[in-house]
Amino acid sequence: EAQVTQNPRYLITVTGKKLTVTCSQNMNHEYMSWYRQDPGLGLRQIYYSMNVEVTDKGDVPEGYKVSRKEKRNFPLILESPSPNQTSLYFCASSLGTQKGPNHYGYTFGSGTRLTVV
Amino acid sequence: AQSVTQLGSHVSVSEGALVLLRCNYSSSVPPYLFWYVQYPNQGLQLLLKYTTGATLVKGINGFEAEFKKSETSFHLTKPSAHMSDAAEYFCAVSEGFNKFYFGSGTKLNVKP
Repeated sequence: EAQVTQNPRYLITVTGKKLTVTCSQNMNHEYMSWYRQDPGLGLRQIYYSMNVEVTDKGDVPEGYKVSRKEKRNFPLILESPSPNQTSLYFCASSLGTQKGPNHYGYTFGSGTRLTVV
Repeated sequence: AQSVTQLGSHVSVSEGALVLLRCNYSSSVPPYLFWYVQYPNQGLQLLLKYTTGATLVKGINGFEAEFKKSETSFHLTKPSAHMSDAAEYFCAVSEGFNKFYFGSGTKLNVKP
């Protein structure tokens, strides 16, 4: 089954303790992206990757890092989490860079609900 | 940057009634337009999208949306609501190569 898999689904952590949220897709998609979803704000893009070793900032990158060492994986790293990073996080992937991911739309993972206390 | 406005954060309809969820965007250039649905505790699923061509787009689960350039709108409709349609719906608009802007979402409640 074609899918984007995120882990963990739920995570409670303390301020300052480094954490990684994993994301993997099995569709050989070139484009991957991370979003956070907050009530009343919709989804906002954190980082995206056009291909292996190619990443760039989205609209709200502060406090986050990403890496793309393999095509299928795109982990989100919070080096020193803070309470304002409490949110619902989604990883997404898209088929193409040829016509642009906007042309194809996105496949989303099921989300990771992060609470930082 | 784009702005995407979904009118009404909560919409409630009776089962069998028409569903109308509104979406307006700010771009002056025809963008790509999308509707996504999010069921509780799940990720977003693509309902339908408009890229080019016919302005009335049909999606899954009986939903459709019409792109109206003059009104910069892309409203989502379904003739007859079903209980299983209860979810949150997001309108999204693209800009450029990969910029993607989401509306703030509309929660649809379907009453028996």
